[in-house]
Amino acid sequence: AQSVAQPEDQVNVAEGNPLTVKCTYSVSGNPYLFWYVQYPNRGLQFLLKYITGDNLVKGSYGFEAEFNKSQTSFHLKKPSALVSDSALYFCAVDASSNTGKLIFGQGTTLQVKP
Amino acid sequence: SQTIHQWPATLVQPVGSPLSLECTVEGTSNPNLYWYRQAAGRGLQLLFYSVGIGQISSEVPQNLSASRPQDRQFILSSKKLLLSDSGFYLCAWSIGTGYMTYEQYFGPGTRLTVT
Repeated sequence: AQSVAQPEDQVNVAEGNPLTVKCTYSVSGNPYLFWYVQYPNRGLQFLLKYITGDNLVKGSYGFEAEFNKSQTSFHLKKPSALVSDSALYFCAVDASSNTGKLIFGQGTTLQVKP
Repeated sequence: SQTIHQWPATLVQPVGSPLSLECTVEGTSNPNLYWYRQAAGRGLQLLFYSVGIGQISSEVPQNLSASRPQDRQFILSSKKLLLSDSGFYLCAWSIGTGYMTYEQYFGPGTRLTVT
């Protein structure tokens, strides 16, 4: 069965420092992976996706993610964190390419302190 | 450009009352549509998805139902609400080609409190 795990409930980082939010996945075929961000009391916003091609995927707001097939990981990264990046981040994996159903991780709260 | 609307934004309903949440999408045709529930601000649970008018798939047995009366309209309903139905309900859409994986775009959500 397809699944995705975010091992950290919360990540704390100082403004200006690099950040990493971790995600690991388990799929039976080629993985289709996504990152979303959610601000308080708002819907989720799409950040980036990996379908095929380059392992380093660039997305919105300066975020990028690295697909690592051997480690079954898709960690979200940003070289220099901003206080405004503080939010809840979700990793997701495609459950069925025929329907676009996604399975979401439990989310990681990113706290960027000034 | 495409936009997705949900209403109401917040709702407080007594136990046993009916529910109707509406979601509409503009600027696209034949989208895939999804209803999620988010409890306690964390993980999302897929409730229903639809790949076309009148086509509804339920992911988990529960007190809710969904309908898609028009191409870009998705409705979440209940005949009698339970306390456990409280949560943040999110509607989403994606391009509905049926053979490709596209990202989903989410609406602003409805905060439902059952008292």
